[in-house]
Amino acid sequence: KAGVTQTPRYLIKTRGQQVTLSCSPISGHRSVSWYQQTPGQGLQFLFEYFSETQRNKGNFPGRFSGRQFSNSRSEMNVSTLELGDSALYLCASMGGWEFTYNEQFFGPGTRLTVL
Amino acid sequence: KQEVTQIPAALSVPEGENLVLNCSFTDSAIYNLQWFRQDPGKGLTSLLLIQSSQREQTSGRLNASLDKSSGRSTLYIAASQPGDSATYLCAVEGNQFYFGTGTSLTVIP
Repeated sequence: KAGVTQTPRYLIKTRGQQVTLSCSPISGHRSVSWYQQTPGQGLQFLFEYFSETQRNKGNFPGRFSGRQFSNSRSEMNVSTLELGDSALYLCASMGGWEFTYNEQFFGPGTRLTVL
Repeated sequence: KQEVTQIPAALSVPEGENLVLNCSFTDSAIYNLQWFRQDPGKGLTSLLLIQSSQREQTSGRLNASLDKSSGRSTLYIAASQPGDSATYLCAVEGNQFYFGTGTSLTVIP
């Protein structure tokens, strides 16, 4: 079974630009969560999508948005990039059904550098 | 809001030692607790998942325990090896997943 894939693996952007990251979950999984990881803040939850609907949202500004397609692939968009958005962005895949235990499986991440 | 703490932040041990990593959380209303390892610059690898109704899980040299009432989990690593060097993170599942800040483990050959 293929694992979670994220593209691109590395990105360099300048302040003010916008960026789109992509995540393909494990086949059969319907939930995709996005996280931002920085040395100072650790892993912070951005949002979760399940069956094309945002199910949960963390405490990030509206510049961070996402969507999920009918094949469960998800994209995350950051508009008007700031220097502080430089981070490793991770996505996690899980089955996502309620009343069952849910094990998260992570992709390799996208390293975003904002200059 | 759920707070997850991991102590110690860093740990260095000689090869072959048994060791314990700690994870504590403030809200006991959790569904599951999951342990991960992360190698530098990489994604997270799932090690063990403990459902809220379980007390422990084992996989090879790893054993994780969960005490919901006291808000604690431990990850026990037996006979440590240099390849175990990584950052270990715990995460609890409530309405979302909350991660600890991790324990950076170095196993010295």
